[in-house]
Amino acid sequence: QQQVKQSPQSLIVQKGGIPIINCAYENTAFDYFPWYQQFPGKGPALLIAIRPDVSEKKEGRFTISFNKSAKQFSLHIMDSQPGDSATYFCAASRQGGSEKLVFGKGTKLTVNP
Amino acid sequence: GAVVSQHPSWVICKSGTSVKIECRSLDFQATTMFWYRQFPKQSLMLMATSNEGSKATYEQGVEKDKFLINHASLTLSTLTVTSAHPEDSSFYICSARVTGATNEKLFFGSGTQLSVL
Repeated sequence: QQQVKQSPQSLIVQKGGIPIINCAYENTAFDYFPWYQQFPGKGPALLIAIRPDVSEKKEGRFTISFNKSAKQFSLHIMDSQPGDSATYFCAASRQGGSEKLVFGKGTKLTVNP
Repeated sequence: GAVVSQHPSWVICKSGTSVKIECRSLDFQATTMFWYRQFPKQSLMLMATSNEGSKATYEQGVEKDKFLINHASLTLSTLTVTSAHPEDSSFYICSARVTGATNEKLFFGSGTQLSVL
């Protein structure tokens, strides 16, 4: 049973576009929702994270939108650049983010020049 | 920022041999470290949770006698793949969490690509 469903599997946008990646979860006990960026042959790096007490969080060009009632959250990348081309994973964990992370399947983003 | 060093970055071994992968937190103490396995174009699958000074907790379906984990200090955890076979070939990634912190202070190593011939 996949606890965090991520879509789309792949995404291609032009430079300057705003790719949106979506995730949905079932377990209402989840209370920490991070997004990770992974380049080929490297480990993931934390981009941005949100807790359910807020509906939106912005850090630089990255924004998380969170809909608690729908149990969904999404990542928006403003003014995307070719250097943003990577695989993005959403994740979730319980107990204030102290339990193990459950990852989505990932989205491969390609930003064309 | 916090750095997690994983070594080696890649290793090729013969079937039947054992391979040890190290995960070190360079500038922080990590009571808890996690080991993941990632197949090409797939997500990270948690293999086990490693806690300093105690036995690792393995996820369902992961053979603890095949994937030996040792977390002997607050800055080092090792994963040993024993009697490796070609199906063990994969990208292995560790992560370390700052002692006392939540996953906001969880940092990943750069991974180890294991190829078993």
